Amino acid sequence: KAGVTQTPRYLIKTRGQQVTLSCSPISGHRSVSWYQQTPGQGLQFLFEYFSETQRNKGNFPGRFSGRQFSNSRSEMNVSTLELGDSALYLCASSLEGTGGNEQFFGPGTRLTVL
Amino acid sequence: AQSVTQLGSHVSVSEGALVLLRCNYSSSVPPYLFWYVQYPNQGLQLLLKYTSAATLVKGINGFEAEFKKSETSFHLTKPSAHMSDAAEYFCAVSFSGGYQKVTFGTGTKLQVIP
Repeated sequence: KAGVTQTPRYLIKTRGQQVTLSCSPISGHRSVSWYQQTPGQGLQFLFEYFSETQRNKGNFPGRFSGRQFSNSRSEMNVSTLELGDSALYLCASSLEGTGGNEQFFGPGTRLTVL
Repeated sequence: AQSVTQLGSHVSVSEGALVLLRCNYSSSVPPYLFWYVQYPNQGLQLLLKYTSAATLVKGINGFEAEFKKSETSFHLTKPSAHMSDAAEYFCAVSFSGGYQKVTFGTGTKLQVIP
């Protein structure tokens, strides 16, 4: 089975722009979660989607949004980028939901905001 | 609210020495606990997880962790460090049910000295 894929792997944007990141989960997995990873904060939970519905949301401003399609692929959008949004964005998929289940992570998208 | 504390953001051990990475959790209900490993430029990979079946959990690559309810701890150990163990390790907590989000610790970088 192919693993979780994320595109693009690297992005450079300037302040005020918006960005869309994409995540393709493992085939058959219905849950997709997004995390922001920074050196000082570790992994911060952004949101989780399950069967096209957002089930959980972390403490991020409304500039961060996401969606999930019927094939379980997910996108994450950040509008009006700020310098502090520079981070590694990780996507993880699981079969039924995060709960007590193993999450399978993609390699991440490294976003740099100048 | 659930939380995880990892003591020591950096740990150095000599090759062949014992590896001990500390994790304490806070939870009002029985938790699920995880250890993930992240190698440079990669996503996270599950090492092991505790789901109440047994307090001593064995994982991949010779790692194991013991759940101690009285100490609210889930420390990760490996009897003999290998150079390939150099990576960042994350402890995480969650609860049963697909709606429960996962909370990660801030990570511990393990350096193995030859």
